[in-house]
Amino acid sequence: KAGVTQTPRYLIKTRGQQVTLSCSPISGHRSVSWYQQTPGQGLQFLFEYFSETQRNKGNFPGRFSGRQFSNSRSEMNVSTLELGDSALYLCASSLGDQKETQYFGPGTRLLVL
Amino acid sequence: AQKITQTQPGMFVQEKEAVTLDCTYDTSDQSYGLFWYKQPSSGEMIFLIYQGSYDEQNATEGRYSLNFQKARKSANLVISASQLGDSAMYFCAMRPQNTGNQFYFGTGTSLTVIP
Repeated sequence: KAGVTQTPRYLIKTRGQQVTLSCSPISGHRSVSWYQQTPGQGLQFLFEYFSETQRNKGNFPGRFSGRQFSNSRSEMNVSTLELGDSALYLCASSLGDQKETQYFGPGTRLLVL
Repeated sequence: AQKITQTQPGMFVQEKEAVTLDCTYDTSDQSYGLFWYKQPSSGEMIFLIYQGSYDEQNATEGRYSLNFQKARKSANLVISASQLGDSAMYFCAMRPQNTGNQFYFGTGTSLTVIP
């Protein structure tokens, strides 16, 4: 079974631009969560989508948004990029039940100049 | 408040020796899950082991075992017979019952296996 895939793997943007990251979960998984990882703040939860609905949201500004499609693929969008948005963005998928493990993708490394 | 604490920023272990990575947590939830992930330099988070708060037995997965002490709120990872490929960052994570699928992560421990 294929793992979680994320595209693109690397991205360079400039301040003020917007960016869209994509995540394809493991087949059959309906929950997709997004995390931001930075050296200073560590791993922080952005949001979770389950069956096309946002089920949970972390403490990030409204510039960070996401959506999930009917095939469970998810996208994350960051508008008006700031230097501090430079990070590794990780996507994780699971079946959705609270006892299930989350499986992570390889991440997208975003650099904002 | 939910919090995970990993107090060892870096650890070294000799190849073939065992090593324990510490993790303590804080939550008011009665039901929660505890997880350990490995993150090599490539960035991908690799699931290692899971312990449920109501599980009476300590979890084991191959060379990984979780030393779960509920009263002390600790969930230490034990890696037996360390291998060079075990060199990576290790993260402890908790998923409380009432937060959907939101995981709380510790700051991680960098493990280096010495030949």
